[in-house]
Amino acid sequence: KAGVTQTPRYLIKTRGQQVTLSCSPISGHRSVSWYQQTPGQGLQFLFEYFSETQRNKGNFPGRFSGRQFSNSRSEMNVSTLELGDSALYLCASSPGGLSSYNEQFFGPGTRLTVL
Amino acid sequence: AQSVTQPDIHITVSEGASLELRCNYSYGATPYLFWYVQSPGQGLQLLLKYFSGDTLVQGIKGFEAEFKRSQSSFNLRKPSVHWSDAAEYFCAVGARGNEKLTFGTGTRLTIIP
Repeated sequence: KAGVTQTPRYLIKTRGQQVTLSCSPISGHRSVSWYQQTPGQGLQFLFEYFSETQRNKGNFPGRFSGRQFSNSRSEMNVSTLELGDSALYLCASSPGGLSSYNEQFFGPGTRLTVL
Repeated sequence: AQSVTQPDIHITVSEGASLELRCNYSYGATPYLFWYVQSPGQGLQLLLKYFSGDTLVQGIKGFEAEFKRSQSSFNLRKPSVHWSDAAEYFCAVGARGNEKLTFGTGTRLTIIP
C-alpha cells in the first residue's frame, strides 16, 4: 500500500496570504488528522476529519480550517498567514472507526515558510 | 486532560551502548501509548505501541518499551544503538476511539562513534 502523501512538500508565502495544503491518506483509511510542528511548541494537534466531518479540533484560531472529501483526501487551509505559522505541517491517517486503536500513519509533511 | 513528559531534551550515547529514553504520561483512563521516530526533514515513523496486555512491547529496529502503570511511564529501550538510530524520538498518548494524539516535546538522540 502506498503511504500517506502530502503536497506540496515545501511552500513559501508572505504574511497576509492564504495557503492550502493537501493530504492523501492510505487507501482504506477514513480518518485524517493534521498536526503543526514547530521548534517552540512541538507537535500540536490541529483537527481530525472522519467521513467528511470534523470530529476533533485542537486549540487553534479560526484562520486554520480543513475539509475532507468523499475519497478521504483532506485539505488544510490557513488564511491571513502570520510569521508564526511557519512550521512543518504533518498529516496522519488511520482507519478511524470507533473501535480504532488510533494508530496514526504520518506523511512526510509540508514545510511552510512565511516571510 | 492528557499530557506527556519527556524529561530528556538531548541524549548522547556511544555506538553499541544501550539506550533508554524516558516518557511519563498523565491520563485518567487506560492510555494508548506510542513511540515515534523522526529523522531530519521527515515525517514520523511508528516504532511501537501499547494498547493492553503484555506490558513489554517489541517494536521495529530492535526497540522495546515497558508500560508501568504505577509509575505512569512508558520508557523506550534498545540494547545496542547503531549510528542510524540518531534522530528525534517522540512519545505520544491517545485514547480509544479518539484519533487525537498528544505528544511529548521529544528527545534528540546523538550517536558518537
